[in-house]
This record gives sequence, C-alpha cells and structure tokens, in this order.
Amino acid sequence: EDQVTQSPEALRLQEGESSSLNCSYTVSGLRGLFWYRQDPGKGPEFLFTLYSAGEEKEKERLKATLTKKESFLHITAPKPEDSATYLCAVQASYIPTFGRGTSLIVHP
Amino acid sequence: DTGVSQNPRHKITKRGQNVTFRCDPISEHNRLYWYRQTLGQGPEFLTYFQNEAQLEKSRLLSDRFSAERPKGSFSTLEIQRTEQGDSAMYLCASSGTWTGSSYEQYFGPGTRLTVT
Repeated sequence: EDQVTQSPEALRLQEGESSSLNCSYTVSGLRGLFWYRQDPGKGPEFLFTLYSAGEEKEKERLKATLTKKESFLHITAPKPEDSATYLCAVQASYIPTFGRGTSLIVHP
Repeated sequence: DTGVSQNPRHKITKRGQNVTFRCDPISEHNRLYWYRQTLGQGPEFLTYFQNEAQLEKSRLLSDRFSAERPKGSFSTLEIQRTEQGDSAMYLCASSGTWTGSSYEQYFGPGTRLTVT
C-alpha cells in the first residue's frame, strides 16, 4: 500500500525566512510525485510533477526536489501570499495517494 | 478552458436526505476523480472514471454512494440517506488527455456538504 507522510504538520515563518517542507513516501513503481497548493475552502492547485530521483522543478519562490524516498519543497524568501497548505501525492497506478499536508503561515 | 467546475458549492441537508453533486471536467481530459476531504486531512480517493467507465471505487465507499459519468463528459456523485459523518468537502478532479498520458490532476473548487 502506498504511503505518504508530510512534515512538519504546520510551519510558521517570517517573511523572507527560507525553509523546506518534507514528503516521505513508499510506493511500488512510482509514476509521479505531485505537489499541490490548497488555500482554505478551495480545491488543490497543481504545482509540480516529479518523475524520477534527481529531478528538480522550480516556480517563482518554490523549488521541488526528489530522491528515491522523499521529496522536498523548498521555499525561498517566502511572502505572506505563500501562506497555504501544501499537499504531496504519489501515484503508481491511476490512483494517487495524498499526504495530510503542511500548513504554512508566513508572517509579514 | 475554464477549468473544472462543481455545483453546488455548498449544500446543507438533513440527515436521511439524498444529495447529488455535479462535476464538469476540463473538456479534453478523459479521467475524472472524486475525493472527500475533511479538516486537516488530504483528499481521500472515492472513485475514478476513464471516459464513461467507472474503473475503480474505494473499499471505504459505502453502498450509499454512487457515481456516474454518462457519455464521458460531466459526472454526478449521489449520496443516499446522508449521515452526519458524510459532512465534508467533496472534490472533483480531472486529468489525462485524449492523445497522450498526463498524470497531474486539476481540481474543482469543491462542494462543501453539511449534514444536520
């Protein structure tokens, strides 16, 4: 059974204070690891897909990396508008397994 | 394309009533998913369609839940005899393309169900 564990559950940062979110996973035959952003009361918004160990993707202040056991979402010089829950999901078949997410709050 | 849409956005119902939600996916996507999400949890898979065929259903899904996707376009999720434990956000997502293979999912805004 695929498993995804995200840490920390919650993270508070000051504006400009860089940090990383972790997603540890176990899956048989990874087809893709996904990062989503979810704002309160809204559906998740797709950010990145990573397919193989060593792959990196960047978008504005976000950078996602992947190893064989975990993925990191690095946030560089975050701004208050980066506050959201960040979800990680892994997919071996056509059914993804989601983690519980990391709730990020960035204070001005 | 306007993305994935869901209706209604909010639904309040009394215990024992039936409810139906609608999802309109991105038009060129052939896979459609339904999830349930409660506070502090990630989306929990309910069921999945490829075109009009329902290919997988969660073992946790009660017989009170049923979903359809006629003609491989929009989908409906019906919950019969609602219970207070059904209160949650119901999310729809679509993925895939007719000519290729793409696994990332695009979510709708969700339907918030409250059972009183």
